[in-house]
Amino acid sequence: QVQLQESGPGLVKPSQTLSLTCTVSGGSISSGGYYWSWIRQHPGKGLEWIGYIYYSGSTYYNPSLKSRVTISVDTSKNQFSLKLSSVTAADTAVYYCATSSTSCVFDPWGQGTLVTVSS
Amino acid sequence: QSALTQPRSVSGSPGQSVTISCTGTSSDVGGYNYVSWYQQHPGKAPKLMIYDVSKRPSGVPDRFSGSKSGNTASLTISGLQAEDEADYYCCSYAGSYTLEVFGGGTKLTVL
Repeated sequence: QVQLQESGPGLVKPSQTLSLTCTVSGGSISSGGYYWSWIRQHPGKGLEWIGYIYYSGSTYYNPSLKSRVTISVDTSKNQFSLKLSSVTAADTAVYYCATSSTSCVFDPWGQGTLVTVSS
Repeated sequence: QSALTQPRSVSGSPGQSVTISCTGTSSDVGGYNYVSWYQQHPGKAPKLMIYDVSKRPSGVPDRFSGSKSGNTASLTISGLQAEDEADYYCCSYAGSYTLEVFGGGTKLTVL
């Protein structure tokens, strides 16, 4: 049973870069067939797909965030990461990592981590 | 503004059935059979309930069912139970540029 766990700073200053890591256990990122995803949820709001990466390194991003997002994978550590640059208060959200086998099939999810953008 | 439109809230009594709609366009819901539904309890991560419009993952009760007509997908929960009270989100593939879009979410209250 694959499990995912997000980690990273809970507080980021405006204009800085948000960096999060998702550690995968119970399965290998490099086994293929899955996309490794980031999704966020603003406080009290709905879900927003950020992007995903295939183990080979191919990336796919939400067009509205594409200019600020980088998702990368480290197969040696069985981790994938999210970087979101030039953050503002509007980027304050719970960030989830998840795995996807096909379009819109995100399962399982990590527990989520709250990132607050504030000075 | 979410790409997919859901009612903000629905309610029903135990044992009844409720249906949650998810309206998009021919570029997303209407164009592909990649619609999924997620249940989210407060403070928890979303849980996949339906995928590919009407398929249920292992372990999801058959009280949950999905369908689609034109640009609108629907999630029906029959035999409502107290534990079904949660937020529900739809998701649809939206083509090779936009890729994945979610609905704004619907709060289900079990009266």
